[in-house]
Amino acid sequence: NAGVTQTPKFRVLKTGQSMTLLCAQDMNHEYMYWYRQDPGMGLRLIHYSVGEGTTAKGEVPDGYNVSRLKKQNFLLGLESAAPSQTSVYFCASSSAAGGADEQFFGPGTRLTVL
Amino acid sequence: GQNIDQPTEMTATEGAIVQINCTYQTSGFNGLFWYQQHAGEAPTFLSYNVLDGLEEKGRFSSFLSRSKGYSYLLLKELQMKDSASYLCAVMDSNYQLIWGAGTKLIIKP
Repeated sequence: NAGVTQTPKFRVLKTGQSMTLLCAQDMNHEYMYWYRQDPGMGLRLIHYSVGEGTTAKGEVPDGYNVSRLKKQNFLLGLESAAPSQTSVYFCASSSAAGGADEQFFGPGTRLTVL
Repeated sequence: GQNIDQPTEMTATEGAIVQINCTYQTSGFNGLFWYQQHAGEAPTFLSYNVLDGLEEKGRFSSFLSRSKGYSYLLLKELQMKDSASYLCAVMDSNYQLIWGAGTKLIIKP
């Protein structure tokens, strides 16, 4: 039972390059989330999904796209990376959106855009 | 706007007790979470409060006052492994978590 996994763990991009971050969970959770974490700031929600085939925008969606083709996977894409997207990206999942259902986090992807 | 405030950094001594405060202003309230995050690692769940009062779980306790928009996390019998950041998060009316910037707790021997 791996929980939530993310690939890659580290990546360096040049401005304008594209990449996809992969998140996978084996807990059969309906809800999945992508956050970014920057120094001195709280986690900020980029996009989220309430089930297979659905996605929705969070607080900071610009410059990112997502897809949830399979229930266990949630992909985050950067079409044209910018230095402002240098951050640590966390994927999380939960069984429900409300109540005491905690979010389980992946180990993070550390992305640097030069 | 939505806002979560918590101290940036706190220092405490091994074996002592420390209280980390969190105040919030959000659009709606569907519960407050505390997470622990060690440097370079993912956040992990510590506690959840939705009703006023104290929730105790081993060495950790969490308190909530909805009328005051206030919570605290109490850590007793501090151990060196408790050195970490502690994140306060409130679930708003859209069932999305609004996160504080975290409190870095430094434990000294």
